[in-house]
Amino acid sequence: AQKVTQAQTEISVVEKEDVTLDCVYETRDTTYYLFWYKQPPSGELVFLIRRNSFDEQNEISGRYSWNFQKSTSSFNFTITASQVVDSAVYFCALRGIQGAQKLVFGQGTRLTINP
Amino acid sequence: EADIYQTPRYLVIGTGKKITLECSQTMGHDKMYWYQQDPGMELHLIHYSYGVNSTEKGDLSSESTVSRIRTEHFPLTLESARPSHTSQYLCASTSGAYNEQFFGPGTRLTVL
Repeated sequence: AQKVTQAQTEISVVEKEDVTLDCVYETRDTTYYLFWYKQPPSGELVFLIRRNSFDEQNEISGRYSWNFQKSTSSFNFTITASQVVDSAVYFCALRGIQGAQKLVFGQGTRLTINP
Repeated sequence: EADIYQTPRYLVIGTGKKITLECSQTMGHDKMYWYQQDPGMELHLIHYSYGVNSTEKGDLSSESTVSRIRTEHFPLTLESARPSHTSQYLCASTSGAYNEQFFGPGTRLTVL
């Protein structure tokens, strides 16, 4: 069975601080995909990144960066110089490549950036 | 930009009413999904479809039903709504194993 754990339920930081959201996953698949989604108060899910299990290179996109470590089954997300607009619930998700390719979501981390 | 639409965005109804939540995508995706989410909580898959005339139940048991008569359309129906159905319902679609799921804006359902 696949499982995603986001141990941090809520994080609150002051603007301009760096913040890291943790994600740990479990799967028996050798090929799989990991995702991060952002859900602002409006409720929509906004896709941030997709990473496949064969690509362990870290990725940076502006103030966002992701650290994928297969050895520890982790896919952590860091926001540098946080801004109030980053306030949202962030979800990590896992998907295999067989069958329906269902997304398995973590519990989400509610991030609040205070001015 | 994802072209997946859900209507209505918000719905408040009384117990016992029959409702249909609409979901449409214009990307020609074969796989479509319905997730249920309590506010700020994790998403649970309740239905999915591989393509036309294919529907399957998801990981979370749901009293809702779905149909897939056309590729672009994947409506969800509740025959008799109850307060326990109050939640947000998110529709998603994807074109395959290597691509992300695109999500619609969601329908926030409140059953009084």
